[in-house]
Amino acid sequence: QVQLVQSGAEVKKPGASVKISCKASGYTFTTYYIHWVRQAPGQGLEWMGIINPSGGTTNYAQKFQGRVTMTRDTSTSTVYMELSSLRYEDTAVYYCARESATTIRWFDPWGQGTLVTVSS
Amino acid sequence: DIQMTQSPSSLSASVGDRVTITCRASQSISSYLNWYQQQPGKAPKVLIYAASSLQSGVPSRFSGSGSGTDFTLTISSLQPEDFATYYCQQSYNTPRTFGQGTNLEIK
Repeated sequence: QVQLVQSGAEVKKPGASVKISCKASGYTFTTYYIHWVRQAPGQGLEWMGIINPSGGTTNYAQKFQGRVTMTRDTSTSTVYMELSSLRYEDTAVYYCARESATTIRWFDPWGQGTLVTVSS
Repeated sequence: DIQMTQSPSSLSASVGDRVTITCRASQSISSYLNWYQQQPGKAPKVLIYAASSLQSGVPSRFSGSGSGTDFTLTISSLQPEDFATYYCQQSYNTPRTFGQGTNLEIK
């Protein structure tokens, strides 16, 4: 079945970087865009950006420009999201999600989420 | 960026009730509107895509309607497993913005 499996929880200090992986299986990796969405504790969903696994092109939310980098490894069907210069307010669950390849697009499935805790 | 505004932010209802959640876009998004359900501690899952299309495997008590700027999600008869948080999302352009969520609680 189609699934996205993310790497495990991370604890980082302010100013550090974190790199989360999202491994895809059950479909042709290069056919579907992958998005990253985060959710701070008790808060809503915040879109961070998108990567095209075929060519590696990316589009980031303005809020994260300069701090986020999304990459992919087609040999392992894995997408990565690296966030640098971490702040306390970056504490959140980070999700990857596959976007449908139809005209009107939606996210399905989602990864299980990766909790990133920024703490000194 | 397109702003998505949901109402209400929270809602108390009983099993068997009919409930409606609304979502308004700050500009026309045609039918580029999706609804997600999120259970505590879980990833969101899509219920409705393209404003009114029911995702495979989702119970038929869920329905969506609307186009342009105004959309609704209706649950015809609430079941215990429906108590969760619901989000609308536009896929008209990037950034793919979400509504702030509606927390559906048991009365």
